[in-house]
Amino acid sequence: QKEVEQDPGPLSVPEGAIVSLNCTYSNSAFQYFMWYRQYSRKGPELLMYTYSSGNKEDGRFTAQVDKSSKYISLFIRDSQPSDSATYLCASLENFGNEKLTFGTGTRLTIIP
Amino acid sequence: KAGVTQTPRYLIKTRGQQVTLSCSPISGHRSVSWYQQTPGQGLQFLFEYFSETQRNKGNFPGRFSGRQFSNSRSEMNVSTLELGDSALYLCASSPEGTAYSGNTIYFGEGSWLTVV
Repeated sequence: QKEVEQDPGPLSVPEGAIVSLNCTYSNSAFQYFMWYRQYSRKGPELLMYTYSSGNKEDGRFTAQVDKSSKYISLFIRDSQPSDSATYLCASLENFGNEKLTFGTGTRLTIIP
Repeated sequence: KAGVTQTPRYLIKTRGQQVTLSCSPISGHRSVSWYQQTPGQGLQFLFEYFSETQRNKGNFPGRFSGRQFSNSRSEMNVSTLELGDSALYLCASSPEGTAYSGNTIYFGEGSWLTVV
């Protein structure tokens, strides 16, 4: 069993819709949670970062972490065609031990 | 502020050869880590260096090695290349301090390696 599980999709939604991307994890030691966006043939770009449980909002993006259920979510409001990319969730136990564990990534397409 | 810089961006090697990839972290970042990305396995951690010392290592064979220099720049080397080593190799850097202060991990654009 992978430490971080993510539905690979693909996921297609119409422009303007709310997108929900999710991951689950099994390692209770994970404390830091990131979402990266990766366009084709590019490196991952950091979108959101949260520490422990809770919500974090940045513009159209909201990240949620529920440590009790080991569930990580990313919501995209008012989705745009430029949001079409692969979204990767990643978890980290501690800084000082910079080993990110990634989900497989979800390929998202926003249909104009 | 310049991001993480990786060179070369694209390269083709023959099975059995060796390859060296280079990474310059964001200025002031002292931790450099390397990942391999393939369609089948996704992003997998190779190793991490801090202050010229390997601090963490993933589950890859000894053909994969790395080092870090005093200026925090890092190189990774793959010897005796196999077809399965074809992948995007990504370098990431992070500063000292805890993530609670907002520090976190940033990736370069990667080096695309094709082994033929």
